[in-house]
Amino acid sequence: QQQVKQSPQSLIVQKGGISIINCAYENTAFDYFPWYQQFPGKGPALLIAIRPDVSEKKEGRFTISFNKSAKQFSLHIMDSQPGDSATYFCAARWYGTYKYIFGTGTRLKVLA
Amino acid sequence: NAGVTQTPKFQVLKTGQSMTLQCAQDMNHEYMSWYRQDPGMGLRLIHYSVGAGITDQGEVPNGYNVSRSTTEDFPLRLLSAAPSQTSVYFCASSYGTDSYEQYFGPGTRLTVT
Repeated sequence: QQQVKQSPQSLIVQKGGISIINCAYENTAFDYFPWYQQFPGKGPALLIAIRPDVSEKKEGRFTISFNKSAKQFSLHIMDSQPGDSATYFCAARWYGTYKYIFGTGTRLKVLA
Repeated sequence: NAGVTQTPKFQVLKTGQSMTLQCAQDMNHEYMSWYRQDPGMGLRLIHYSVGAGITDQGEVPNGYNVSRSTTEDFPLRLLSAAPSQTSVYFCASSYGTDSYEQYFGPGTRLTVT
């Protein structure tokens, strides 16, 4: 049973466009929702994160939108650049623990 | 700081062999964890530790052992490798639950034939 469902599996966006990746979770016992960026051959790196008491968080071109009632959160990449081409993972952390559940990943390709 | 380091980068094992994947961090992080990454399945938590001497199971612990004798090191042991353990393994560390950022190592690609 997958507790965090991520979509789409892959995404192709033109340079300058908006990339949107969605995640949905099933359990309300999560207290932290990070997004990770992973380049080929590298480990994931934290991109941006949000707590469930906040509906939106923006850092530069990256925004997380969080809908607690719908149990959904999404990553928006504004003005997408070829350098943003990577795999993105959403995750959720069990409340008060160090246990994370990851989504299955979205491979983003930004065309020049 | 070297951050989180993992050795080896690549490893090929035969079914039934044992080995230890090494993970070390020099950031004085209390929390460390091991994940495996498989195509289409994201990262899945194998084991984690909230401090020296304290470990617990994650989502997919079967076939793996861990111990945490020091704050810096968190090795992952495969006692009898199986082809189903072919994967990329990542170690991560964090200051603690009040700190939200996990720092990942570069990974170890393991193939079991």
